[in-house]
Amino acid sequence: DGGITQSPKYLFRKEGQNVTLSCEQNLNHDAMYWYRQDPGQGLRLIYYSQIVNDFQKGDIAEGYSVSREKKESFPLTVTSAQKNPTAFYLCASSIGPSQETQYFGPGTRLLVL
Amino acid sequence: ILNVEQSPQSLHVQEGDSTNFTCSFPSSNFYALHWYRWETAKSPEALFVMTLNGDEKKKGRISATLNTKEGYSYLYIKGSQPEDSATYLCAFSGGYQKVTFGTGTKLQVIP
Repeated sequence: DGGITQSPKYLFRKEGQNVTLSCEQNLNHDAMYWYRQDPGQGLRLIYYSQIVNDFQKGDIAEGYSVSREKKESFPLTVTSAQKNPTAFYLCASSIGPSQETQYFGPGTRLLVL
Repeated sequence: ILNVEQSPQSLHVQEGDSTNFTCSFPSSNFYALHWYRWETAKSPEALFVMTLNGDEKKKGRISATLNTKEGYSYLYIKGSQPEDSATYLCAFSGGYQKVTFGTGTKLQVIP
């Protein structure tokens, strides 16, 4: 089955620690995205990548980093510089540019200990 | 950051009732408007993508209309069923810019 997988489902971060959220897709999509959802707010774009080895900051990139070394993988690192990391994180992909329909993973909930 | 608004924020309807909600977006530099359904404990799933002023899309009991000149889209659900309970998201795309999501309308259908 083609789709997007995210792991882990729940992640706990200690103060000052970097953590990495995994996102993998086997849809052969060029573009991938990371969103953050907080209660009462819409999905906010953290980073996106239109093609391998290239990515751009979204609206709330501070405290996060990404890499796109492979077409199917787009991991997100939440660094210690992100002071309020507790949120639900969704990864998505699309065939082409961001105007295309996006397909979402199941999400990762990050909690701070 | 573009302003994409959805109303109402939440909605409770009785089974069998028809309902509709709104997505408002910038009327300039329009490329596409997407509707997604997000059921609890699942991933958001695409319902419609609309690109032309006056577009109407339909999938079963759910339909959507688009007015790009005034910057709004309506989503209609006819004869709501409990399985329609979900959060409905719209997402606006202008030209080669990234997509901006609204905050969603949470629909609960009461049996």
